[in-house]
Amino acid sequence: DTGVSQNPRHKITKRGQNVTFRCDPISEHNRLYWYRQTLGQGPEFLTYFQNEAQLEKSRLLSDRFSAERPKGSFSTLEIQRTEQGDSAMYLCASSPRLGQSSSGNTIYFGEGSWLTVV
Amino acid sequence: DAKTTQPNSMESNEEEPVHLPCNHSTISGTDYIHWYRQLPSQGPEYVIHGLTSNVNNRMASLAIAEDRKSSTLILHRATLRDAAVYYCILRDVGYGQNFVFGPGTRLSVLP
Repeated sequence: DTGVSQNPRHKITKRGQNVTFRCDPISEHNRLYWYRQTLGQGPEFLTYFQNEAQLEKSRLLSDRFSAERPKGSFSTLEIQRTEQGDSAMYLCASSPRLGQSSSGNTIYFGEGSWLTVV
Repeated sequence: DAKTTQPNSMESNEEEPVHLPCNHSTISGTDYIHWYRQLPSQGPEYVIHGLTSNVNNRMASLAIAEDRKSSTLILHRATLRDAAVYYCILRDVGYGQNFVFGPGTRLSVLP
């Protein structure tokens, strides 16, 4: 198992452009999460999927943000019309279904995708 | 999610034990205590978790107070690679699908 994979790892974009990040969770993990982290802060929750269903969204997820997980495997996070305030690290995490392990619902993070909007 | 309180920063000398405290006075009976750490420019990494009993794994030990209102992450011999931000998080096993991270404790390890 190679862990949670995210790409691209780094993206520099001009303000107003659209960007898309991809996350490949640990195989057989049915839960997938997106977080955002700015310098000096802890990760902030954005959204959560169980299989292909998006079950929870933070108010941080403005209309310019959209996340999908079409087949319940990989997920994409798209940011439209990027703004300088979108500059952050975008983290993806996954976890197994409840009861699948004794992990107490531990989640496993990827390395993150850094976005810089100039 | 119940709130946790951690010191902003701590220092330790290399090869000495480190005790990272966490207060969670509003913890509920079904909240697990999770610890994650984040090295510079990396995603958070799972360290350890527990419910009521003390727990040990290859990375660390978790000591949970009898009333569960506080816990301590113990690194038995700090190395330079343990310098990171350590997050203490409460997670109800059956409710609340996201982890709520606070600012954590920034651990510096001095050679």
